[in-house]
This record gives sequence, structure tokens and C-alpha cells, in this order.
Amino acid sequence: EVQLLESGGGLVQPGGSLRLSCAASGFTFSSYAMSWVRQAPGKGLEWVSGISGNGDNTYYADSVRGRFSVSRDNSKNTLYLQMSSLRAGDTAVYYCAQGVMKFHSWGQGTLVPVSS
Amino acid sequence: EMVMTQSPATLSVSPGERATLSCRASQSVSSNLAWYQQKPGQAPRLLIYGASTRATGIPARFSGSGSGTEFTLTISSLQSEDFAVYYCQQYSNWPPVTFGGGTKVEIK
Repeated sequence: EVQLLESGGGLVQPGGSLRLSCAASGFTFSSYAMSWVRQAPGKGLEWVSGISGNGDNTYYADSVRGRFSVSRDNSKNTLYLQMSSLRAGDTAVYYCAQGVMKFHSWGQGTLVPVSS
Repeated sequence: EMVMTQSPATLSVSPGERATLSCRASQSVSSNLAWYQQKPGQAPRLLIYGASTRATGIPARFSGSGSGTEFTLTISSLQSEDFAVYYCQQYSNWPPVTFGGGTKVEIK
């Protein structure tokens, strides 16, 4: 069974930084591209970033390019999202998801409130 | 960026009735269209991809149709567990993939 478990969320001040992690199990992690998708409170879904299975290719939404960085450690079956220069508009639940085009499995999400 | 528009925003349906949800793309996405279900406090779940292929474990009462710019998700006979928000998502023109704003299916 595919399991994705996010961690690292929490309250951060505007301008601050945070690193999210997503521990994967139940599938061959290195064989799958992965993504981060976020959902602001009471709002819809927004794709944030994606990364190929070997980590060579990364993709970003315009709203986060230059501020967020996605990476992975296939030896640890873990996906990361380094977030910097955070803004109030980045407040959301951040989900990791299996895939970069369609998302077959999702984690339970981790909440990142950005507020002073 | 591809814009996905879902209608209606809210659909009130009685259990056992059919629900029909619509999704329109601002330009053709061929059949590169997925549908997700999200219940309160839960992560989204993939229902349909390729516009009409059910994901693993999805009941047959869920069906998808359409191609190009117009798509439909049909729930043939609504069960209590089907009341949720449904999102369409295109993956033809990526990155970025884009989602519709969602349709909330509520109990009538």
C-alpha cells in the first residue's frame, strides 16, 4: 500500500523559511516523479512543484519559482520542499503526491500558516 | 496558463439520484483530464484519469466522459459517502497542471 507522510509544517513569520518532508513507502520511490500540491483554507487545489524520479528535472508554479526548491533523497525515500521568503498567500495545507501529471496517491497534508 | 472551469459550484442531489458535474478547459486538453474527490479534512482521491478511465478501486457508479474542452463526471446513483467536493484537473499543458475550482455535491 502506498503511504505518503508529510511533516515539517508549522507557523512561520512572513519572510521566513521552512522545509517540508514527505516520507514515502509501499512503492519504488525512485521510479516515480513526485509533486507538491497546496490548498489554502477553504480554497481549491494548486500545484506547486514537481520533480522527476531521479531528481534531474524540477518544475515550479510561477507563484513560487525562485522562492521554493524541491528535492528528493531516493536513498531515504523522501521528498522535500524548501520554502523561503514566505508570504501570507503561501498559507495552505501542503500535500505531497505521487506523479507530476496526474496524482494517484496523496499524503494527508501538513499545514503551513504564514503570519506574524 | 490553462484555465479549468467547473459547474455548478454546488449541486444538491438526493441519495440514489444521478449527479452530473461539468468541467470546461480554456483550450483543448485532448483526453488529458483527471477527476478527484475530496471529503472534509481529507486529501483528494483520484477517481478518473484519461477523461474516462477509473482509477484502481473506484466504483463503477463513477464515470467520466468528454474530450477536447468539455468533460463530464457522472455519479449514477449517489451514495452517502459520495457527498464531497470534486475537482477536475488537466495535464495536457504542463507544467503547470491546473485544477478547476471544484463542485460541491451536497445532500438535497
